[in-house]
Amino acid sequence: GAGVSQSPSNKVTEKGKDVELRCDPISGHTALYWYRQSLGQGLEFLIYFQGNSAPDKSGLPSDRFSAERTGGSVSTLTIQRTQQEDSAVYLCASSQGTPEAFFGQGTRLTVV
Amino acid sequence: EDQVTQSPEALRLQEGESSSLNCSYTVSGLRGLFWYRQDPGKGPEFLFTLYSAGEEKEKERLKATLTKKESFLHITAPKPEDSATYLCAVLSGTYKYIFGTGTRLKVLA
Repeated sequence: GAGVSQSPSNKVTEKGKDVELRCDPISGHTALYWYRQSLGQGLEFLIYFQGNSAPDKSGLPSDRFSAERTGGSVSTLTIQRTQQEDSAVYLCASSQGTPEAFFGQGTRLTVV
Repeated sequence: EDQVTQSPEALRLQEGESSSLNCSYTVSGLRGLFWYRQDPGKGPEFLFTLYSAGEEKEKERLKATLTKKESFLHITAPKPEDSATYLCAVLSGTYKYIFGTGTRLKVLA
């Protein structure tokens, strides 16, 4: 596609439920990132995928968070047993061969 | 520890009133400094990459400059459509971006 696509745009979930967030990167981009943006905070690194290499999961805040990337393209970020502090905008970005990363529009997650 | 600090947090300008946004950084070996624009409810939009001190990049009313310790985003004769949050980031290592908290710019007509 023309840009990074994320779905859903908005998600409201009850505390304790699991959620899945999806990211379609720019076609041909081998690097994919997930970042989290909380109100008044900078973007927080969560996870990085590059081709077939093992992902860098060092930014995942707890074991309730996981992510996978199937076929080197689409990625899913899963949050289990959601908590109110998980409420934030989750941003996906992709890049290919250059340092510049291109972001999607984000998924706004609200845990009530 | 790699770090990025942006100032001011918020800035209100009259249309046509030029100003600058600051991004101070600490990083082990700069591999790139990036400026993004973020509109409400949208993801960050890439503006510029700077690699070495003395480098400058321009786009319309925006000009980004870089020294060994900071970067400036100069806005010349801004218009209301320039209102947005401007984010600065550096590469920490080969792929991890460290972002500042941004400057919220409001340009009044």
